[in-house]
Amino acid sequence: DAKTTQPPSMDCAEGRAANLPCNHSTISGNEYVYWYRQIHSQGPQYIIHGLKNNETNEMASLIITEDRKSSTLILPHATLRDTAVYYCIVRVAGSQGNLIFGKGTKLSVKP
Amino acid sequence: NAGVTQTPKFQVLKTGQSMTLQCAQDMNHNSMYWYRQDPGMGLRLIYYSASEGTTDKGEVPNGYNVSRLNKREFSLRLESAAPSQTSVYFCASSPGGKTNEKLFFGSGTQLSVL
Repeated sequence: DAKTTQPPSMDCAEGRAANLPCNHSTISGNEYVYWYRQIHSQGPQYIIHGLKNNETNEMASLIITEDRKSSTLILPHATLRDTAVYYCIVRVAGSQGNLIFGKGTKLSVKP
Repeated sequence: NAGVTQTPKFQVLKTGQSMTLQCAQDMNHNSMYWYRQDPGMGLRLIYYSASEGTTDKGEVPNGYNVSRLNKREFSLRLESAAPSQTSVYFCASSPGGKTNEKLFFGSGTQLSVL
């Protein structure tokens, strides 16, 4: 699985868009980008995933650069409840075994 | 929809005691996982089961055993608990196939070994 790099922490004002970056410069052609988040003391929650096209669902949008070496998770209108650790993971879809969560980005949404 | 249910939510053990953490999912998922998370650290995979009847070691299997009892249930056993096993334990499941990376997690078991 390709290695990912995320900033350790970010702040965002409530109601503003939160843009969380992820670098995955060694991503291979068949690896997807997955995003999860973990709200304090809860189990991680799947957010979104994509291969090369931008994706949007009810929780967030995922923008993947054309060269696929980086991506951005966008929470369009962050709320206090979005304060969490966000994990960017790269892997071939349908793989078995360890989904490596890394250290993620601690997003703090402030009033 | 219950999703992934873990029991117990909290447990305190003495060194050397044994216990089993229970996990059940009602989503007809093929794959199930046990992770542990220590303070300030990411999740580490202990064991996983890609399908009913199979189990495989993850990153940190020592001191643990697992049983995939049926498609719904995946238990984690500590035979002789040690203080180093103090952690939060999460069970997860995923559909398998091309959506295998979409994991659904339980709410966790906080285990303290004294």
